[in-house]
Amino acid sequence: DAGITQSPRHKVTETGTPVTLRCHQTENHRYMYWYRQDPGHGLRLIHYSYGVKDTDKGEVSDGYSVSRSKTEDFLLTLESATSSQTSVYFCAITGQGATGELFFGEGSRLTVL
Amino acid sequence: DQQVKQNSPSLSVQEGRISILNCDYTNSMFDYFLWYKKYPAEGPTFLISISSIKDKNEDGRFTVFLNKSAKHLSLHIVPSQPGDSAVYFCAAFSSGTYKYIFGTGTRLKVLA
Repeated sequence: DAGITQSPRHKVTETGTPVTLRCHQTENHRYMYWYRQDPGHGLRLIHYSYGVKDTDKGEVSDGYSVSRSKTEDFLLTLESATSSQTSVYFCAITGQGATGELFFGEGSRLTVL
Repeated sequence: DQQVKQNSPSLSVQEGRISILNCDYTNSMFDYFLWYKKYPAEGPTFLISISSIKDKNEDGRFTVFLNKSAKHLSLHIVPSQPGDSAVYFCAAFSSGTYKYIFGTGTRLKVLA
């Protein structure tokens, strides 16, 4: 199994509060991704990173920011959480880029009340 | 604007029969296509992939077919087993952007 750890695994918060989800990898992989999974929408890409300090937007990036200050950590921040951001968030990594499969973490379930 | 589509939200198949899951895409620039399987409360796990220059890839009970002219791929599972019951996602990868774009998923139920 790829060494990916997401934290926290479960979080309940209130509308308007900031939230940070952390993805930590021990594989030294270059590429890291944040997805959210919602019924009827499948997995949607939020942001991704192709190296330290190198990030780009995905399909549903509004309301989210990311940071990658070192290879092993990729942080997803909701500056002011809204109920529409209630979801399960998955981090994924890949080392090969062009042909490599994505390895996913176990997910972080976020509930915004 | 959904670039990868799975039009069947669910599929039920008898144990031992063939399961066929379908996926359509709109972007001709995708280089690789992948299938993932997901059980509840777990992260998706990789199943099989195919390069855009191939039309078939086989791994045990799983075969993926790619029809580039129709921008369509399918996953065949033969024979289907109850343990195959899960949500299946197709994904498309572009080496130009390094993005993996996923479909909405198909829930497969294999009946014993």
